[in-house]
Amino acid sequence: QVQLQASGPGLVKPSETLSLTCAVSGYSISSGYYWGWIRQPPGTGLEWIGTIYHSGSSYYNPSLKSRVTISVDTSKNQFSLKLSSVTAADTAVYYCAKRYPGYHDAFDIWGQGTMVTVSS
Amino acid sequence: QSALTQPPSASGSPGQSVTISCTGTSSDVGGYNYVSWYQQHPGKAPKFIIYEVSKRPSGVPDRFSGSKSGNTASLTVSGLQAEDEADYYCSSYAGSNNCVFGTGTKVTVL
Repeated sequence: QVQLQASGPGLVKPSETLSLTCAVSGYSISSGYYWGWIRQPPGTGLEWIGTIYHSGSSYYNPSLKSRVTISVDTSKNQFSLKLSSVTAADTAVYYCAKRYPGYHDAFDIWGQGTMVTVSS
Repeated sequence: QSALTQPPSASGSPGQSVTISCTGTSSDVGGYNYVSWYQQHPGKAPKFIIYEVSKRPSGVPDRFSGSKSGNTASLTVSGLQAEDEADYYCSSYAGSNNCVFGTGTKVTVL
């Protein structure tokens, strides 16, 4: 079965770039599916960040688009998130997830999430 | 795109039903039959429980049902059980390959 594991630094300084990786097991990314990143600030709701296909085609939340890059590395069977110029407002649990086939809004398998704090 | 609006809380006694609303606009909920729902227990990742307004993924009990009218989607949990106490989030396709989530509703089983 497909499993996802997000990882990366738990602390990032303001104005720097947040970088996270999601390792996929139980399925080869190059075989298909779309993969996404969603975040959840402490005590608040979910926010879609973006989605990527194994070919590299990607879609981003318009409110974050200028700062976000999602990429895929099929050789390592993982995909990554970079968020630039971070502020305290970017402090959140970041989840990686597999998108349900055919549905832009449906993510059926989620990783456990990784907490990222933006602070000097 | 703005977050979809959900009531902050809802509650019901064991065995009863609770319905959660998710209100958007004609650019998201009202414009497409692509609404999903997620259940999230404290400290856990969300669990996918409804897609395409009313369809249940394999393994999700039929106590969970979804519907939509105009710009508002709804999730009903029937026969409430203690383990249904959780936060619930809706999401919708918002056009141009975009997705928007709801503000979340905390369901309490009395």
